[in-house]
This record gives sequence, structure tokens and C-alpha cells, in this order.
Amino acid sequence: IAGITQAPTSQILAAGRRMTLRCTQDMRHNAMYWYRQDLGLGLRLIHYSNTAGTTGKGEVPDGYSVSRANTDDFPLTLASAVPSQTSVYFCASLSNTGELFFGEGSRLTVL
Amino acid sequence: AQKITQTQPGMFVQEKEAVTLDCTYDTSDQSYGLFWYKQPSSGEMIFLIYQGSYDEQNATEGRYSLNFQKARKSANLVISASQLGDSAMYFCAMREVNDYKLSFGAGTTVTVRA
Repeated sequence: IAGITQAPTSQILAAGRRMTLRCTQDMRHNAMYWYRQDLGLGLRLIHYSNTAGTTGKGEVPDGYSVSRANTDDFPLTLASAVPSQTSVYFCASLSNTGELFFGEGSRLTVL
Repeated sequence: AQKITQTQPGMFVQEKEAVTLDCTYDTSDQSYGLFWYKQPSSGEMIFLIYQGSYDEQNATEGRYSLNFQKARKSANLVISASQLGDSAMYFCAMREVNDYKLSFGAGTTVTVRA
């Protein structure tokens, strides 16, 4: 089934630990995004990638890094997690027709 | 600066009635796209409707229509004949054509009453 796969779906993490959220799409979309969703704040863009090999910073990039080694994969890494990074994280990709496809989200709790 | 503003945190609507969700945006670009997404309690993001800035007619998709007023920079979503399954969070989003970023508003929670 075509779409975006995120892993893990849920994770509890101790502060200070390193964590990578995985995102894979099989639609060959060039543009991919990572958002965090927090109550009352909507979805805020963390990082994005226009095409393989390039990445850019969104609204709230601090504490996060991304890589885009190929078209399909766009992992998000928290180098040293803090409690304020407790959130639901969505990966998305943009089709040629302008529609944004979302993964099912990864719920991260940092204690 | 906030590019997308949704001023209604929550709304109640009676089943079978129409509801309008407000969205205003800020851009200096002439070419951009506007989107609405639905997020039910299960958490997934569902694409509803898209309006391009150069589209002369308002977009419609089934019971969803987008009231696009370019001069006022507003892109309100109208849901006609509300159903209980329409209860969800609704997000307005904008993408400027020369910028791959897609910005979201804070969302509006809609609760449909029987």
C-alpha cells in the first residue's frame, strides 16, 4: 500500500537520550517534512527537504536534525531529548499536485 | 510571524446544519496554495480540499467548499449538512509556490451535536 510509514508509533524516552524517528515513503515524492503537533499550536514545521541531498530549517528546528540520503527516507533525530520535545510528530510528503500526505504520527514522551 | 490564523478554537454545530470555519493568511507572494485538513480523534490527517491562488472559482469537494476571498486573504471552509462523523479538528494550511514549506494554523475543533 503506497504511503508514508513512521516508526515508532509511540515511545517513552528518558531526558538526555538520543532518539531517531523514522519516516519512509514509497510515492517517490521529492519534498518531505517533519512537523510536531502540540495542543493549541497546530502543526509546526521542524525541518523539510525539497529533494534528496538537501534539507532546510522550519519554524522550530532547535534540538532536531534531519538527513535525506535518498528519496524515500527522511529520519528525524533528537540528539539529546528534553521534556519540551514531548509531542506528536508527523512526517509528510508533497505530491506533484500539491497534496500533502501524512504518516500516522509518532507520539513521543520525554521524561 | 504567524502566516495562518484560525480564530475559532472550538465550534458546536447541529447535525444537518452548515458550519463555516475561518482562516486568514499572510503572504506577499502572488502564487500560493491553500489547503484544509481534517484530523479526527484517531489522529490521522485527512486532506479535504485545495484552492490555488489563481483559481477563479471556489473549490468544492462533496460537502466541503472553500470560500476564497483573495483581497481579504481569507480561505474559509464551509461544511454543509453536517454529520456526526464531521466532529474533528480542522486545519487550514498554506504553501507559497516558491517555497516548499507548508504552514498550518492552530486548528478549529468542530463538535457536531445530534
